Amino acid sequence: KAGVTQTPRYLIKTRGQQVTLSCSPISGHRSVSWYQQTPGQGLQFLFEYFSETQRNKGNFPGRFSGRQFSNSRSEMNVSTLELGDSALYLCASSSLGTREGNEQFFGPGTRLTVL
Amino acid sequence: GDSVTQMEGPVTLSEEAFLTINCTYTATGYPSLFWYVQYPGEGLQLLLKATKADDKGSNKGFEATYRKETTSFHLEKGSVQVSDSAVYFCALINAGGTSYGKLTFGQGTILTVHP
Repeated sequence: KAGVTQTPRYLIKTRGQQVTLSCSPISGHRSVSWYQQTPGQGLQFLFEYFSETQRNKGNFPGRFSGRQFSNSRSEMNVSTLELGDSALYLCASSSLGTREGNEQFFGPGTRLTVL
Repeated sequence: GDSVTQMEGPVTLSEEAFLTINCTYTATGYPSLFWYVQYPGEGLQLLLKATKADDKGSNKGFEATYRKETTSFHLEKGSVQVSDSAVYFCALINAGGTSYGKLTFGQGTILTVHP
């Protein structure tokens, strides 16, 4: 079974631009979570989608948004990019979408650099 | 809110040494606990998990026991190899009302193993 895939792997943008990142979960997985990883803040939760519905959202500004499609693929969008948005963005999928004990499987991440 | 605290790194060991990475958590309810590992340039890989008190997770020679009385989930390995060099993250997911799809991570511990 193929793992979680993320595209693109690397991205360079300039301040003020917007960016869309894509995530394809493991086949059959319906829950997709997104995380931002930076050296200073570590791993921070952005949001989670299940069956095309956002069920949970972390403490990020409204410039960060996402969506999920009927095939469970997910995208996240960051508008009006700031230098501080430079990070590794990780997507993770899980099978049952339940809160208890359900492990998440991570993709390789998209490395976003904002100049 | 939920939080995870890991021992500060980096940790540097010689091959075949014993490894312990401490992890303690604060959470309401009954969280599930995980250890993830991240190799350079890659996403996170699930190393092991435990879903209830006194459970022991194990994988690839690594072990961790869910200790509710001490709110801990320390990672151990009896004999480390150079290939174990990576960053290790302790994480939890809670059964609370706002926890859909949200892993809370510790800050990560860098492990370097020398031949």
